[in-house]
Amino acid sequence: QKEVEQDPGPLSVPEGAIVSLNCTYSNSAFQYFMWYRQYSRKGPELLMYTYSSGNKEDGRFTAQVDKSSKYISLFIRDSQPSDSATYLCAMKETGGGNKLTFGTGTQLKVEL
Amino acid sequence: DAMVIQNPRYQVTQFGKPVTLSCSQTLNHNVMYWYQQKSSQAPKLLFHYYDKDFNNEADTPDNFQSRRPNTSFCFLDIRSPGLGDAAMYLCATSRLTGSNQPQHFGDGTRLSIL
Repeated sequence: QKEVEQDPGPLSVPEGAIVSLNCTYSNSAFQYFMWYRQYSRKGPELLMYTYSSGNKEDGRFTAQVDKSSKYISLFIRDSQPSDSATYLCAMKETGGGNKLTFGTGTQLKVEL
Repeated sequence: DAMVIQNPRYQVTQFGKPVTLSCSQTLNHNVMYWYQQKSSQAPKLLFHYYDKDFNNEADTPDNFQSRRPNTSFCFLDIRSPGLGDAAMYLCATSRLTGSNQPQHFGDGTRLSIL
């Protein structure tokens, strides 16, 4: 079993839809949770960064962490074609240096 | 405005012919990382430098080496590339090894092996 599981998609939605992307994990020591967006042939770009459980909002993006269920989500409101990309979740332990454990990414396509 | 710069963006080499990929950063970050990312897979950490201290991941093949001559530059050397080493290689930086410091990535070098 992988430490971080992420549905690879592809996920196709119409423009304006609310998108929900999710990851589950098995390591209870993970305390920091990130979402990266990766466009084709580009490097990952940090979107959201959260610590422990709770919600964090930034514009159209909301990150949610439920440590009791070992489940994290990224919601995208009013999705745009420019949101079409692969979304990677990543997480790390406290005191574990700075080593990130990534999910395999979910490919999202927002269609006109 | 680019902060983590990788050169070249695309690299083609022959089976067994040594190749070097480069990364530079304008963020003055202490830590630099190299990841390997194969198609539809998660980025896999190969090693990282905390200042001049080199930290190798246990499962990184000996074929992969790295050099960091100064704060701004870091190189990935593949001594004898095999077909299985074809991948995107990502460089990332962070300020310190503290848990709350995010990593910032370059756009990668896509390596092809003939």
